[in-house]
Amino acid sequence: DSGVTQTPKHLITATGQRVTLRCSPRSGDLSVYWYQQSLDQGLQFLIQYYNGEERAKGNILERFSAQQFPDLHSELNLSSLELGDSALYFCASSVGWTVTDTQYFGPGTRLTVL
Amino acid sequence: AQSVTQLGSHVSVSEGALVLLRCNYSSSVPPYLFWYVQYPNQGLQLLLKYTSAATLVKGINGFEAEFKKSETSFHLTKPSAHMSDAAEYFCAVSGGYQGAQKLVFGQGTRLTINP
Repeated sequence: DSGVTQTPKHLITATGQRVTLRCSPRSGDLSVYWYQQSLDQGLQFLIQYYNGEERAKGNILERFSAQQFPDLHSELNLSSLELGDSALYFCASSVGWTVTDTQYFGPGTRLTVL
Repeated sequence: AQSVTQLGSHVSVSEGALVLLRCNYSSSVPPYLFWYVQYPNQGLQLLLKYTSAATLVKGINGFEAEFKKSETSFHLTKPSAHMSDAAEYFCAVSGGYQGAQKLVFGQGTRLTINP
């Protein structure tokens, strides 16, 4: 158990819908990262927040947005969903903001878009 | 820009045999390099990382990797495979202290251990 929690574990929804994925980092970690893992694209970095501020951005679509709240939990919002958004979404956390700080991954949320 | 190529999407070895998982990177700046392991239905776990100190890096579970700049490689090895090593392994690169603070992952190598 990494100490990172993600809810829900599974999500099934329809095209065009909007969903919110939630992540609680390990106690004491200030950074939260979001990743997408799919058969087509592999594992891709989406976005990083550090202590409430956006720190780094990856291949995140404009239909997707994220935020980190004062209690440090984070939410990833996915809107206007398409079939291709079906994937495993991971959250990771680390104590600092640099890439050399060890990232601890949650178990993921499996999103299925029908 | 950074990229990673993992040679072999599937590798199969016998229990007790040497494990060798290959990773070649491309980076326009001195890289930081990482190996992660993903067990079925779990998130990723860091095995080891190279951050420009010693070129031979030792990680958890008996794994190690050697950074070879001349070969742009960071291959992962373990002298003796155990059944519990069966998992998917990901190599990742970051652009070092000059690069963006994000990881670029390879496509992964699925390791199977034969009894």
